[in-house]
Amino acid sequence: DIQMTQSPSSLSASIGDRVTIPCRASQSIGTSLNWYQQKTGKAPKLLIYATSILQSGVPSRFSGSGSGTDFTLIISSLQAEDFATYYCEQSYRSPRTFGQGTKLDI
Amino acid sequence: QVQLQESGPGLVRPSQTLSLTCTVSGGSVSTGGYYWSWIRQHPGKGLEWIGYIYYSGGTYNNPSLKSLVAISADASKNQFSLKLSSVTAADTAVYYCARAVVDGGTYSYFDYWGRGILVTVSS
Repeated sequence: DIQMTQSPSSLSASIGDRVTIPCRASQSIGTSLNWYQQKTGKAPKLLIYATSILQSGVPSRFSGSGSGTDFTLIISSLQAEDFATYYCEQSYRSPRTFGQGTKLDI
Repeated sequence: QVQLQESGPGLVRPSQTLSLTCTVSGGSVSTGGYYWSWIRQHPGKGLEWIGYIYYSGGTYNNPSLKSLVAISADASKNQFSLKLSSVTAADTAVYYCARAVVDGGTYSYFDYWGRGILVTVSS
């Protein structure tokens, strides 16, 4: 299985900050990497797919980059509603696997 | 707008079979280009892909769950279902159904999710 590693598991930031959330794959996955946002008690929400393509309706302050094994989710200017847990997920090879998440808090 | 809704018992006894159904509206389980999926989240933990079914009926399961998982679909009801047999307390989790887009055979992503249903395995 492809292991997805997200470190740190938690991150503190302030409103207006530029935040980068890393994700590493245990082997090359090309650009088959997706990002999800999950708020407490809610289902995950797709933010970005194929490393850098913004899902419809997602604010443009979110962006993604990377390829191979190293990927980054970037929030250009943190808003109050962005405090949540972020998961990366690889779709390169079955079984689909997720990172353990990075919790973003104040 | 596609919507998915999980249903089923919230409590299952150990060694029994967990059975959940996902009802889809605004889309069809018979349409190509999508995998109809089950994903779970243990309390306070990350996400685990269980498996999915394609419109043709083909299924793909996580090998970590071995042959305990069965996913099926009922096109007439626009539903798909999960059966997980011989459950233990370790199967206590929130279970989500989700739609996975298959984008040109290269990319895939879960774009619509149900709200999730908490299933507790306990005697």
